[in-house]
Amino acid sequence: EAQLLESGGGLVQPGGSLRLSCAASGFSFSNSAMTWVRQAPGKGLEWVATISGNGGLTFYADSVKGRFTISRDNSKNTLYLQMNSLRAGDTAVYYCAKEIIVVVVPALSLWGQGTLVTVSS
Amino acid sequence: DIQMTQSPSSLSASVGDRVTITCRASQSIINYLNWYQQKPGKAPKLLIYVVSSLHRGVPSRFAGSGSETEFTLTISSLQPEDFATYYCQQSFTSPHTFGQGTKLEIK
Repeated sequence: EAQLLESGGGLVQPGGSLRLSCAASGFSFSNSAMTWVRQAPGKGLEWVATISGNGGLTFYADSVKGRFTISRDNSKNTLYLQMNSLRAGDTAVYYCAKEIIVVVVPALSLWGQGTLVTVSS
Repeated sequence: DIQMTQSPSSLSASVGDRVTITCRASQSIINYLNWYQQKPGKAPKLLIYVVSSLHRGVPSRFAGSGSETEFTLTISSLQPEDFATYYCQQSFTSPHTFGQGTKLEIK
């Protein structure tokens, strides 16, 4: 069964750093683009970043560009999100998701359970 | 960035009702439109992709339609497990923005 499992969330002070991980299993990880989506408490979904299967292409939301870095280790079937210069507004549950392409249209077909990041002093 | 606007933001309905949620894009996204369902405390799940294709396991009471800038999600006969929040998402261009969500509540 395909599965995604996030880890690495926690409480961090403003200006601090955190690295999230997402362990994938049950599907061909290296052939799948992967995405991070976040959800602030009581709010909607916000797309954060996407990385291609081989890691050669990355895309970021303007709100995190220059502060967050998405990466992957296909030998470990693991996706990462390095978050630097964290702000209170980054407080959210962070989900990793597997992207599928159907007739050239990307969609997020599999989601992890999420990991909570709280930025507070 | 493409803005996605859903209406209504919330909706009260009864089991057995037919409900429709609308999603409008600020510019044409052709058919790059997906719908997700999220229940409280849970991760979102893909419901419909490419406007109208049901993801595996999704009941046929769910249907999507539309093109260009206007899209709809229809649930033909609400079941108790359908009460959730629904999000549309465009994947035409980065950033792949979501609508603000429509919370479907029991009347």
